Amino acid sequence: ILNVEQSPQSLHVQEGDSTNFTCSFPSSNFYALHWYRWETAKSPEALFVMTLNGDEKKKGRISATLNTKEGYSYLYIKGSQPEDSATYLCARSLKPGSARQLTFGSGTQLTVLP
Amino acid sequence: SQTIHQWPATLVQPVGSPLSLECTVEGTSNPNLYWYRQAAGRGLQLLFYSVGIGQISSEVPQNLSASRPQDRQFILSSKKLLLSDSGFYLCAWGTGGIMGPQHFGDGTRLSIL
Repeated sequence: ILNVEQSPQSLHVQEGDSTNFTCSFPSSNFYALHWYRWETAKSPEALFVMTLNGDEKKKGRISATLNTKEGYSYLYIKGSQPEDSATYLCARSLKPGSARQLTFGSGTQLTVLP
Repeated sequence: SQTIHQWPATLVQPVGSPLSLECTVEGTSNPNLYWYRQAAGRGLQLLFYSVGIGQISSEVPQNLSASRPQDRQFILSSKKLLLSDSGFYLCAWGTGGIMGPQHFGDGTRLSIL
């Protein structure tokens, strides 16, 4: 994998359903993996940053896991609500102390239907 | 508390016209500043970043330039816009290190006619 890839590109779920999506990245020279939530008409919001293989972060109903050896991260949303509708971006840090820092995926657009 | 302001929110410009987008940050000192662009159906692409006044790094060769005349001011410019410059532009700041850009502006929707 040359770039950061996210799947699926878009996703529709019913309110109350749990869902997850994937971020894949090159496993070599890994430093950190970031997740952002970007709601329509708002600015992106940082959710998590993870650095260690096996890391798991949680914020309310949203959690994320990291596998640096195989180069993927999963974002899970438990009991989706309409307010979870947003584009979820992941980004990979290139190296410590680098101001350039992040390569973004193209995002997963989540729509939660009431 | 820290805030980031970006303007204008939307802009429609003819091909060949100049561009100036401005971003200011309040409540922090010596932030790392970033300009990103999201073209239609694509992820965020880093255009420029700055670690201090007058220090600009460009990520991709393009028709755009950036300047940082003050510690908390970041400007994106072009002398002559191209159709391919259309997109959504985001300014962001971060404290550096592991965190990356932590706070984003509300963005500018730029349409080139």
